[in-house]
Amino acid sequence: RKEVEQDPGPFNVPEGATVAFNCTYSNSASQSFFWYRQDCRKEPKLLMSVYSSGNEDGRFTAQLNRASQYISLLIRDSKLSDSATYLCAVNPGFGAGSYQLTFGKGTKLSVIP
Amino acid sequence: DARVTQTPRDKVTEMGQEVTMRCQPILGHNTVFWYRQTMMQGLELLAYFRNRAPLDDSGMPKDRFSAEMPDATLATLKIQPSEPRDSAVYFCASVEQGASTEAFFGQGTRLTVV
Repeated sequence: RKEVEQDPGPFNVPEGATVAFNCTYSNSASQSFFWYRQDCRKEPKLLMSVYSSGNEDGRFTAQLNRASQYISLLIRDSKLSDSATYLCAVNPGFGAGSYQLTFGKGTKLSVIP
Repeated sequence: DARVTQTPRDKVTEMGQEVTMRCQPILGHNTVFWYRQTMMQGLELLAYFRNRAPLDDSGMPKDRFSAEMPDATLATLKIQPSEPRDSAVYFCASVEQGASTEAFFGQGTRLTVV
């Protein structure tokens, strides 16, 4: 089982739709979780961190389910500008003070007019 | 606006040639990562450094790849000899561990080996 897995998509949704992505991780000791956004031919950029209690930033909501070892990203009222690839990232937290990021392959989202 | 700087942005080279990619992390960031991105494999961690010391390079083919941080402002990734299967986008990222958990990526080096 790969460390971090995502449905590659593509997800093709109409403007205004709500779309959700899931990401599963294999290391139950993982300490921190993130969603990154990557536009075509650009570098990944942090969209939001994922906290145990869940967190919301405008139209975006991220949640963590430690028991089932997955994180989710919900996008409400999709905009054309949301079209991108969404990467989940996990810090396995090997050892004290360790910090490294393992990424999923990404889920491609296309928002259609 | 602080950013991670990578050079070159694009590189086309012939098989067998040496390739060197450079990265200037954000000033003050003590952890630097090298990733390789392909359509098939996604973002793969090749190596990473903390306070210039290599912590993990298990993701890197040792026979042809080498990564170094000669000083706090420069990280390098070398491939010698290069092969067509090395064609990918190579990203450098840096993070100020302990102060922020956000990793900032450079714009990447798009490598094509023909």
